[in-house]
Amino acid sequence: GNSVTQMEGPVTLSEEAFLTINCTYTATGYPSLFWYVQYPGEGLQLLLKATKADDKGSNKGFEATYRKETTSFHLEKGSVQVSDSAVYFCALIFKAAGNKLTFGGGTRVLVKP
Amino acid sequence: NAGVTQTPKFQVLKTGQSMTLQCAQDMNHNSMYWYRQDPGMGLRLIYYSASEGTTDKGEVPNGYNVSRLNKREFSLRLESAAPSQTSVYFCASSEQGGGVTDTQYFGPGTRLTVL
Repeated sequence: GNSVTQMEGPVTLSEEAFLTINCTYTATGYPSLFWYVQYPGEGLQLLLKATKADDKGSNKGFEATYRKETTSFHLEKGSVQVSDSAVYFCALIFKAAGNKLTFGGGTRVLVKP
Repeated sequence: NAGVTQTPKFQVLKTGQSMTLQCAQDMNHNSMYWYRQDPGMGLRLIYYSASEGTTDKGEVPNGYNVSRLNKREFSLRLESAAPSQTSVYFCASSEQGGGVTDTQYFGPGTRLTVL
């Protein structure tokens, strides 16, 4: 079946550091890929998405590129802020699986001043 | 627009009690979803409603029932709560009925503890 694997956290960084969160997926086909972010005490919000191979999603300084050859969708940000402290979820949606979102386990990121 | 709203925010139940979690959206979306979030497991789909008048089981439906009351509202019922149902529950909605580019919008969650 379809699955999403994320690096386990927590990831602790200093402000202005570079952030990478790895995400790989397993799917028999070409899903759409998403990153959602959950700030403390809130629901999930869409951060960015990519719907086909080599697409780059970007938002709020975050970027992720859909890599079909490595089945990956790694999230990056060049200079994090304290306000980026949150839990980040990689997810896919796949037509053959009924168009239902499949989530990774989430990666908690803590940015210290 | 309020987006997706959920009530209550917090609830404590005893084993065997029943309760209904309420969800409403004001974005005129066709599809609505219920997820549970457990530590280290991401979100898992309990039930979803692709359109008004339809409901389908997700990955973990046992112990739950749902009602799509109208286009705006989608409720989740626990008939006889068990400690294994202690979790954070999220409702979500989306416009397209689940297309591959569909974006889901989430409510703030209900934190449920079953003693």
